[in-house]
Amino acid sequence: DVVMTQTPVSLPVSLGGQASISCRSSQSLVHSNGNTYLHWYLQKPGQSPQLLIYRVSNRFSGVPDRFSGSGSGTDFTLKISRVEPEDLGDYYCLQSTHFPRTFGGGTKLELK
Amino acid sequence: EVQLVESGEGLVQPGSSMKLSCVASGFTFSNYGMNWIRQAPKKGLEWIALIYYDSSSKYYADSVKGRFTISRDNSKNTLYLEMNSLRSEDTAMYYCANWELGYWGQGVMVTVSS
Repeated sequence: DVVMTQTPVSLPVSLGGQASISCRSSQSLVHSNGNTYLHWYLQKPGQSPQLLIYRVSNRFSGVPDRFSGSGSGTDFTLKISRVEPEDLGDYYCLQSTHFPRTFGGGTKLELK
Repeated sequence: EVQLVESGEGLVQPGSSMKLSCVASGFTFSNYGMNWIRQAPKKGLEWIALIYYDSSSKYYADSVKGRFTISRDNSKNTLYLEMNSLRSEDTAMYYCANWELGYWGQGVMVTVSS
């Protein structure tokens, strides 16, 4: 199985500050069709996960441009600039290149 | 508006069975693969099953293979998860999701306890 290692586990931030979350996979996430199926989700307390970024760097509909994704192969990053209160919660990376699909362990973005 | 509404929540004893449903609206259900994902209390997300748009292929996590069955009825816009031989470690919030469109249901809680 592809192991998704997400760091840090906890990330204290100040409002208006910047945050960066890393996600590393144990195998390349490049599919045989050339696409890389690495996605980022935010789960706010008591809610379902919501899609932020799909296929490494594409912002989902309605996601502000403060969120950006980058990376390739096995190494990926989610960056959040100008952190706002509604950005707080648990962030997960997900790979859907290989079976079984696997999530990172999560990063809790919280106020410093 | 895309909606995924799960049902079937409940408390069951170890070894018993349960069936979850997920009714979809707001998109052409029969065109998309669908997933079930679960989240144990205070834990992370775990993908458990995928079914292709036409039911031609189904995939499972090892943790549920042989005990859980994913299925769908495109005429009813409904996704199912049949769960047998339930264990305490199956206690979780269960979500259905259309990953291609980026939508998840609100989840239903399954508790397996004597």
